[in-house]
Formats: sequence, structure tokens, C-alpha cells
Amino acid sequence: DTEVTQTPKHLVMGMTNKKSLKCEQHMGHRAMYWYKQKAKKPPELMFVYSYEKLSINESVPSRFSPECPNSSLLNLHLHALQPEDSALYLCASSQERPPLRPGGYTFGSGTRLTVV
Amino acid sequence: TQLLEQSPQFLSIQEGENLTVYCNSSSVFSSLQWYRQEPGEGPVLLVTVVTGGEVKKLKRLTFQFGDARKDSSLHITAAQPGDTGLYLCAGEGTTSGTYKYIFGTGTRLKVLA
Repeated sequence: DTEVTQTPKHLVMGMTNKKSLKCEQHMGHRAMYWYKQKAKKPPELMFVYSYEKLSINESVPSRFSPECPNSSLLNLHLHALQPEDSALYLCASSQERPPLRPGGYTFGSGTRLTVV
Repeated sequence: TQLLEQSPQFLSIQEGENLTVYCNSSSVFSSLQWYRQEPGEGPVLLVTVVTGGEVKKLKRLTFQFGDARKDSSLHITAAQPGDTGLYLCAGEGTTSGTYKYIFGTGTRLKVLA
């Protein structure tokens, strides 16, 4: 299994809603990431989990709350979002961080989030 | 701060033409990756280059890592509509002892049939 699976693929939520994005990989990767990507821009790093511990939070607002229940799963809990948070949210994984050898990331297909 | 600038930002060409995309930085990277991203999908890894001067070929795509490991290029021969997408370079390295993985600014390619 060489995939990163993200659900849901599309999500529309109101500013008062609570929702969660899910990400799963079974490649044995020990580093997992959340990225935010606005239209026609490169991905922006939000969070890094390494060996199931949060190692990087790129000053992300607290309305985004990551969770890593186990080495295969990564969640992003959303609460009280703003319309400007609408974007493609990408999950990625890599063998380790920092890597023992270069190899790049495996990305999921993303969740297209629209906040209304 | 490590930055990766890609050029051009946008490129629209006819099927069959050749093109080159550049990824430049003033910083040294230990490796560099190229990704292609189609609309509504995540980036897909195309190649990793590690050694200065390294050249890798993937069908009609040729990737080169600069001798000083500060820059890279992607050359596409006889472009096809299926090559349309956002091309991203990404470099990994260390800044002040901290590991960093930096995405380039992106090149949006459109190949017209």
C-alpha cells in the first residue's frame, strides 16, 4: 500500500460547525504532515508529527487542532473557521523527519474545504 | 531564510513544443524533489536528485541538479496535454542546524492540443 488516503474529499461547513479531516497511511512512515494550499499557490506547512508526537506547529490558529491517534492516522479538527480558511488541505507522509535518506513526501488527494 | 524561486510562473504552449522550468535558490540543498499536481489532487512525486550535476530522465522529462546543489531544472520534450499541471520543486536541507523542507513557488503549465 503506497497511498495516503484522505477523507472527506469535499467539505462545506459553517463558521459555527465542528468537523474533522482524516488521513491514513499504511506505508510505515513515521512522519506525517498537514499542509494548506490556496488556489495556484504552493502548499504551506501547518503541522508536523514525528513518531506520533507534534514536532512543528507553524503558528497555526487554535481553531485548527491536529491529532495523531497512532502511527497510521492523522486528524485535523476544525472549529469556528473563517471563510478565508477555505482551501485544499493536504496530508502527507515521509519515512522519517529528518530523513535517513532523501525520498520526498507521499501526498494524499486532499480535502477541498469551503467555509460559508 | 531558504527560498526556492521557480520560473516561469506560468507557461502556455502548444502540443509538441519543448520547455524548461527552473528552480533557483541562493542556499545549498542536500536533495531536491520535483512534483506535479493536477487540479483538485495532491502533488505527485516525480523525481529526487541528490548529487550535484546529477541528471535523471523520466520518459520525456529530464531533471538536472546544479553542480553547487543550489538550483535545478526540468526539461520536457514534445509536451503533451497530459503534462498540464502545477510543477513544484522542493528542497531539503538544514538551516542553523534545523532540518527544513521548502517548496518552490510553482510553475503552472498548460499544454494546448
